[in-house]
Amino acid sequence: DTEVTQTPKHLVMGMTNKKSLKCEQHMGHRAMYWYKQKAKKPPELMFVYSYEKLSINESVPSRFSPECPNSSLLNLHLHALQPEDSALYLCASSPLNTGELFFGEGSRLTVL
Amino acid sequence: LAKTTQPISMDSYEGQEVNITCSHNNIATNDYITWYQQFPSQGPRFIIQGYKTKVTNEVASLFIPADRKSSTLSLPRVSLSDTAVYYCPALGNKLIFGAGTRLAVHP
Repeated sequence: DTEVTQTPKHLVMGMTNKKSLKCEQHMGHRAMYWYKQKAKKPPELMFVYSYEKLSINESVPSRFSPECPNSSLLNLHLHALQPEDSALYLCASSPLNTGELFFGEGSRLTVL
Repeated sequence: LAKTTQPISMDSYEGQEVNITCSHNNIATNDYITWYQQFPSQGPRFIIQGYKTKVTNEVASLFIPADRKSSTLSLPRVSLSDTAVYYCPALGNKLIFGAGTRLAVHP
């Protein structure tokens, strides 16, 4: 299994809602990532987890809260988002110390 | 922080070889150079990785000069399905994507 699975594929939420994005991989990778991508822009790194511990937070606002419950799962909890947070949220995983990241198809988020 | 610079766009025709060059300002000694391909509404897909000289796989070749200040991705005999955005993020302790190159392959 060489896939990174992200759910949901599409999410529409209001600014007062609480929702979560989920990511799963079964490749035994110990590094997992969240990226955010706006239209016609490159992916922007948000968070990196290594061995289920948060190792990098790229100064992301606290309305985004990552969680890594185990080595296969990565969540992104969303609360009180703004319309400008609408974007494609990409999850990726990789073996440690390699540049070969495996990306999921992304979750398209729309904040109304 | 490793920053990369690429041409914004390129055009080619089916069957041609395409070379996309990336400048790697401030690349660190331990950084690897990676290339990714991305289609609309999909996640990026890893193409190739190298540290120096030349690396080849079934999809592409990667040329890195001795000073490592640049890299060139070579795609042999492109087809319409190679139309995509190509990124050359340098890998330090994290993968940071630059603006990318939009390659359009024409019939």
